[in-house]
Amino acid sequence: SQQGEEDPQALSIQEGENATMNCSYKTSINNLQWYRQNSGRGLVHLILIRSNEREKHSGRLRVTLDTSKKSSSLLITASRAADTASYFCAPYTGGFKTIFGAGTRLFVKA
Amino acid sequence: NAGVTQTPKFQVLKTGQSMTLQCAQDMNHEYMSWYRQDPGMGLRLIHYSVGAGITDQGEVPNGYNVSRSTTEDFPLRLLSAAPSQTSVYFCASSPDPDRAGTGELFFGEGSRLTVL
Repeated sequence: SQQGEEDPQALSIQEGENATMNCSYKTSINNLQWYRQNSGRGLVHLILIRSNEREKHSGRLRVTLDTSKKSSSLLITASRAADTASYFCAPYTGGFKTIFGAGTRLFVKA
Repeated sequence: NAGVTQTPKFQVLKTGQSMTLQCAQDMNHEYMSWYRQDPGMGLRLIHYSVGAGITDQGEVPNGYNVSRSTTEDFPLRLLSAAPSQTSVYFCASSPDPDRAGTGELFFGEGSRLTVL
């Protein structure tokens, strides 16, 4: 297991702008997952990108993975106030311990 | 589709009291886990289970006990609560990674515990 480290810690943007958050990790992975947590709620799985994929889209979400740099980014296009949440990456190496970092807190101003 | 259900949602305890946080899932997932989340921080893994009768420690297991007598249920016990255990607790489940599972976790809505 390993922990992903999200960057920046916090991000504040206007509605309609794009939001980009980054994740770095240390060892080889099977896949990397992104989760969202709305205030006071449980985490919700957003998207999974496998180690042999470079880019993946889901609606307004775009995730990239660079295994040579051991990094991933999550792009939310045309952000909405409802996207205000914390976002966590989870590098998955198999096994049974998924370790989360502190996340990126995104605030989208209406 | 209930998913992962946690009870209670809120609880206040006095130091030294004991209690059990309940977690149940109806997805027939082999893997279940407990996390705690403190303000402004990520989630820290307390205990996890890969199947009925099998449990193991995570990052912060001290002060907590777990058991897994059925696939569906994974209760977390605090035997003697301390103020340092004030936190929000999340239960999560996942299909068995050894059966081509991806590690995707399904979370409950959390149990907010305050220890006075």
